[in-house]
Amino acid sequence: EVQVVQSGVEVKKPGDSLKISCRGSGYSFPSYWIAWVRQMPGKGLEWMGSIYPGDSNTRYNPSFQGQVTISADKSISTAYLQWSSLKASDTATYYCARSFAMDVWGQGTAVTVSS
Amino acid sequence: DIQMTQSPSSLSASVGDRVTITCRASQGVKYDLAWYQQTPGKAPKRLIFAASSLQSGVPSRFSGSGSGTEFTFTISNLQPEDSATYYCLQHNDYPLTFGGGTKVEIK
Repeated sequence: EVQVVQSGVEVKKPGDSLKISCRGSGYSFPSYWIAWVRQMPGKGLEWMGSIYPGDSNTRYNPSFQGQVTISADKSISTAYLQWSSLKASDTATYYCARSFAMDVWGQGTAVTVSS
Repeated sequence: DIQMTQSPSSLSASVGDRVTITCRASQGVKYDLAWYQQTPGKAPKRLIFAASSLQSGVPSRFSGSGSGTEFTFTISNLQPEDSATYYCLQHNDYPLTFGGGTKVEIK
């Protein structure tokens, strides 16, 4: 079964760093793009960026460029989304999904940033 | 950026009704469009890909059509479990963009 499984809930303070993960299984992880999608409370879906784990080619939404870093380790079939200094406005649920056409989604990682 | 204008933003319909949602792209995206269903607290689920292809395991009452800039998503014979928010996604060009969502309520 093709799956992507995300890391768990995070509660952080403003200024903290954070790295969340997305592990793929049941398919050739290096061969499919992984997308990251943000959903702020009560709001719609926003594409943040995507990475091709085979060669780490990464594309960012200009709205998120410089705010987050997307990376991947194909040896452990895992993609990452990281922040160096969180803000309260980063409070959201973050999803990863396989491929540009986002056929398989992770369960989401809820991130709360509050002092 | 390609803007995806989805309408309506919400609708209320009865069990058995036919429901139609539209996404308009600000420029052509060929057939690179998908439709998703999201229920509260859950991840989105892809229902339609390549504008009109039904995802495996998805009931046939869901359908999609269109190409270029005009796309339609239809639920025929609306069921109680179809209460959800539906989104379109264009993946033809960067940045990938979603429609604003349509909340479907069952009367």
